[in-house]
Amino acid sequence: DGGITQSPKYLFRKEGQNVTLSCEQNLNHDAMYWYRQDPGQGLRLIYYSQIVNDFQKGDIAEGYSVSREKKESFPLTVTSAQKNPTAFYLCASRRTSGGSYTDTQYFGPGTRLTVL
Amino acid sequence: RKEVEQDPGPFNVPEGATVAFNCTYSNSASQSFFWYRQDCRKEPKLLMSVYSSGNEDGRFTAQLNRASQYISLLIRDSKLSDSATYLCVVNSGSNTGKLIFGQGTTLQVKP
Repeated sequence: DGGITQSPKYLFRKEGQNVTLSCEQNLNHDAMYWYRQDPGQGLRLIYYSQIVNDFQKGDIAEGYSVSREKKESFPLTVTSAQKNPTAFYLCASRRTSGGSYTDTQYFGPGTRLTVL
Repeated sequence: RKEVEQDPGPFNVPEGATVAFNCTYSNSASQSFFWYRQDCRKEPKLLMSVYSSGNEDGRFTAQLNRASQYISLLIRDSKLSDSATYLCVVNSGSNTGKLIFGQGTTLQVKP
């Protein structure tokens, strides 16, 4: 089955620790995105990547880092510099080639991060 | 002003009711418009794209008014399974594929 996977589903972190959230897709999509969702709020863009080895900051990139070494993978690291990291983190991907242009993004199941 | 604004609700309706959600957006350069559905503690899933001519998918009808920068979603004959949060989404108007999400409108359909 094609899709987007995120792991782990739940993650607990102590203050001062860095953690890395995994996002993998086998949809052959070029573009990938990381969002953060807080209760009662819309999704906010952290980072995005339109092609391998290239990524751009979103609206709330401070305290986060990413890499895009493979088309299938776009891991997100939440660093100790992120002041309020407890949130629901969602990864998405989008097809940008091989046919008509689309803005439609497809989401993975998310990772719930809690800082203890 | 938020880039995408929705009435957060909640909308509490009985089964079989017709319910309408509204959304306004501020960026006149936006070209793509969507409604996503998000169940509690789950990821958003695409419900339907919204086209200028309006479009329908079963019990769901979406409308777009570019002049007023207004998007709507109409759900007819509500089912218990329609209970969810509905997200209004527009693109940023750039070629990056960036999407702007509303905070969502929560629907609770009751027996």
